[in-house]
Amino acid sequence: GAGVSQSPSNKVTEKGKDVELRCDPISGHTALYWYRQSLGQGLEFLIYFQGNSAPDKSGLPSDRFSAERTGGSVSTLTIQRTQQEDSAVYLCASSLAWGNQPQHFGDGTRLSIL
Amino acid sequence: GQQVMQIPQYQHVQEGEDFTTYCNSSTTLSNIQWYKQRPGGHPVFLIQLVKSGEVKKQKRLTFQFGEAKKNSSLHITATQTTDVGTYFCAGGGGSEKLVFGKGTKLTVNP
Repeated sequence: GAGVSQSPSNKVTEKGKDVELRCDPISGHTALYWYRQSLGQGLEFLIYFQGNSAPDKSGLPSDRFSAERTGGSVSTLTIQRTQQEDSAVYLCASSLAWGNQPQHFGDGTRLSIL
Repeated sequence: GQQVMQIPQYQHVQEGEDFTTYCNSSTTLSNIQWYKQRPGGHPVFLIQLVKSGEVKKQKRLTFQFGEAKKNSSLHITATQTTDVGTYFCAGGGGSEKLVFGKGTKLTVNP
């Protein structure tokens, strides 16, 4: 597709379960970012990938969060043993490169932890 | 680390009034970007400023980058209900990743 694709669009799960969120960036974009946005709040940076470089994981809130990017394209954000405070919209963005390039966002995954 | 502060956090205006949001960085920026997020939507890139003192216009929107490249503003003339949303600035520090401000939420009373 032409834009950043995220799936699922909505996810409801019970506390303690693991979840996987997927992001398919724009073709040719080497940089990929994950953000978390709680209701009415700003964008909380989680992690970013640039090409084959080691990812910048400085925003991950705990070791329950991890992400990988296979083949320099699709990325998966995994949250283990989910907690209620993990409820938020998880946004993925991609750009041609990191730093100065504009970011293109997906529609996000709305995660609700019961 | 680099921080980007944005004010005000909220702004409510009557349709037809002007609106301005301000962005300030603790460090000199290589560029500043502005995004708009409509209610229920995702952030959408509006513009990028890279030069000291740069001013760019998009219809009723005017974007400025400060001379010291540490601050920026977005001004909307004669707001319309379609301007409703949250406006984010994001500062880039050369090789550093973009840092987003917390956004200004604009509501417009018709």
